[in-house]
Amino acid sequence: QQQVKQSPQSLIVQKGGIPIINCAYENTAFDYFPWYQQFPGKGPALLIAIRPDVSEKKEGRFTISFNKSAKQFSLHIMDSQPGDSATYFCAASMAGNTGKLIFGQGTTLQVKP
Amino acid sequence: DGGITQSPKYLFRKEGQNVTLSCEQNLNHDAMYWYRQDPGQGLRLIYYSQIVNDFQKGDIAEGYSVSREKKESFPLTVTSAQKNPTAFYLCASSINSVSNQPQHFGDGTRLSIL
Repeated sequence: QQQVKQSPQSLIVQKGGIPIINCAYENTAFDYFPWYQQFPGKGPALLIAIRPDVSEKKEGRFTISFNKSAKQFSLHIMDSQPGDSATYFCAASMAGNTGKLIFGQGTTLQVKP
Repeated sequence: DGGITQSPKYLFRKEGQNVTLSCEQNLNHDAMYWYRQDPGQGLRLIYYSQIVNDFQKGDIAEGYSVSREKKESFPLTVTSAQKNPTAFYLCASSINSVSNQPQHFGDGTRLSIL
C-alpha cells in the first residue's frame, strides 16, 4: 500500500521526442506527487509537483498528468533535448505524515541527438 | 548560496568500523532526512528529523544512527551492524514536515567497503 510503481525502467528517445514516464500508487491517502530529476553523481532536484485536485500541471517543457480514479500519474517531456538525459523519480507523500516521501524505482532517460 | 552540503563525497569503510556522514544546511529548514539510494531501487528513507533534538526511524533504520543537536546539522553514522553499507547516501531538508513542502537534496556521499 505504501509503494509507488514506476515504469519504464529505461527509455531512449530521439531529440524532439516526447518521453512519457508512468507511476501508479495504491494508497488513496497520498496527496502530494513530486517528480525529481537526477544527474549522475548529483542529488535529485525537484522538477514539478502536483496535488490530486488538479488533472494536469505544466512547467516549461515538463507536464504532469494525474488520473485520480486510476491512481496513476505521468511525466511528459515536450521537445526533449540531450540535456534532459537523466534519471527521473516520481514520489508520493501524505499530508501530516511527517513529510516522508515514497519514491518510485526511477527511470533512466537517454535523449539521442 | 543557500543549500545542503554533504561530506565527504566518497567514503570507504573497513570491516567492523563505524563511519559518519556529514549533512549541513543553511536554508533554516526544520525538517531533515537521510535516504539510501541503490541501483534500481529508488530512494529509501533511513531516518528523519522534524525538529532539533528529535528524530524518528524511517523504513530501513537498522544499522544506522543519527543525531540532531543543531538545526543546521543532521549527521548519519553507519555502524558495523549495517552489513551491506555500500550505497549512495542522500541528505535532504524541507521547511517543515507537516505541509508537504518540497525536499531539497545535497549531492550525496558514496560509501564503499574496503
